[in-house]
Amino acid sequence: DSGVTQTPKHLITATGQRVTLRCSPRSGDLSVYWYQQSLDQGLQFLIQYYNGEERAKGNILERFSAQQFPDLHSELNLSSLELGDSALYFCASSVVPGLAGGVNTGELFFGEGSRLTVL
Amino acid sequence: AQKVTQAQTEISVVEKEDVTLDCVYETRDTTYYLFWYKQPPSGELVFLIRRNSFDEQNEISGRYSWNFQKSTSSFNFTITASQVVDSAVYFCALSAGKAAGNKLTFGGGTRVLVKP
Repeated sequence: DSGVTQTPKHLITATGQRVTLRCSPRSGDLSVYWYQQSLDQGLQFLIQYYNGEERAKGNILERFSAQQFPDLHSELNLSSLELGDSALYFCASSVVPGLAGGVNTGELFFGEGSRLTVL
Repeated sequence: AQKVTQAQTEISVVEKEDVTLDCVYETRDTTYYLFWYKQPPSGELVFLIRRNSFDEQNEISGRYSWNFQKSTSSFNFTITASQVVDSAVYFCALSAGKAAGNKLTFGGGTRVLVKP
């Protein structure tokens, strides 16, 4: 058990719909990351938050958005869903964003993922 | 830009055989960190090891060992005396540079199947 909690574990919805994925980081971790794992794209970084503020952005679609709340939990919102959005969405957390010139020096602890199926 | 390549897509071995997973990375940064993660059939990603770019000392941790060579930009991972429970997808990952925003860049993964 990594200590990172993601809900829901499974979600089935239709094209055009909107869903929200939730993540609670490990106790004490200030940084939250979202990743998407699909068969054709592999593990792709979406976005990172640190203590409530956006820290880095990857190949996140404009239809997707995220935020980190004062209690440090994070939500990933996916709207106007398409078939291609079907994937496993991971949340990860780490203690600090980096101690060596901004580079992540520590491992990320991943949740069990939220499997999204768009029909 | 950072890139991680795992050329082996799938490896099948018989229990007790050793398994070596290849990883080649690309980065222009001099400070970077390399990781190996394991994804068992249950789906979660489990951290295994981390090395920084200033430490090329290779180590052994239980049945795991790694070979980090900056000269060839490789960070290979070996499982000694494999067991059925080692069956999983293994990912090599890189974190480098301030512009990376501390994200990890993952390779495509290598599926390891250990047969009894």
